[in-house]
Amino acid sequence: GAVVSQHPSWVICKSGTSVKIECRSLDFQATTMFWYRQFPKQSLMLMATSNEGSKATYEQGVEKDKFLINHASLTLSTLTVTSAHPEDSSFYICSAEPTVSTEAFFGQGTRLTVV
Amino acid sequence: AQTVTQSQPEMSVQEAETVTLSCTYDTSESDYYLFWYKQPPSRQMILVIRQEAYKQQNATENRFSVNFQKAAKSFSLKISDSQLGDAAMYFCAYRTSLTQGGSEKLVFGKGMKLTVNP
Repeated sequence: GAVVSQHPSWVICKSGTSVKIECRSLDFQATTMFWYRQFPKQSLMLMATSNEGSKATYEQGVEKDKFLINHASLTLSTLTVTSAHPEDSSFYICSAEPTVSTEAFFGQGTRLTVV
Repeated sequence: AQTVTQSQPEMSVQEAETVTLSCTYDTSESDYYLFWYKQPPSRQMILVIRQEAYKQQNATENRFSVNFQKAAKSFSLKISDSQLGDAAMYFCAYRTSLTQGGSEKLVFGKGMKLTVNP
């Protein structure tokens, strides 16, 4: 199956700093990628839909100025958590679909801890 | 908006036995996809099985099969000959069909933790 690589797998940062998470589709092109947030023992919550070459679409309640998404190429989307605070600590997961597929492939996830 | 409900937060099964995970959903669409994803302790999301709504035949993948009841909006997963490696969180998910237009995003249920006892 297709491979989606997410980096880093874990990161610890100081409160007030920014953190960038990368999501790459390694063997296919993806015009759309998705970013999720998952709290412990909970389901995946969609944060935003990343569209190549255009602005991301954010879900209701997600601060677009805090969670910056850039989808500069057909194989790379990035999520930047700006001015991170302890409440932003969570597990972030990306997914992507090949253009003519209806199957989503997920990255390994990134555990963010803000101290 | 579509919703997905998994009413059982946890289940357990003895190794080699069969277990059924339930899922119901709500939609006004006629064409869509349903999925079961597995999330082991590594937290990597893994597709277990998928069902296309326009197909009446229930999907099967080795030890995994579904019971898709479109009229009842029910989509249960049966795991046969349960193995220790099946222990994980299982998420039911809904996706709009491309023919319906709209978003490609997945709508997930809350998940269910499956424990397999040796």
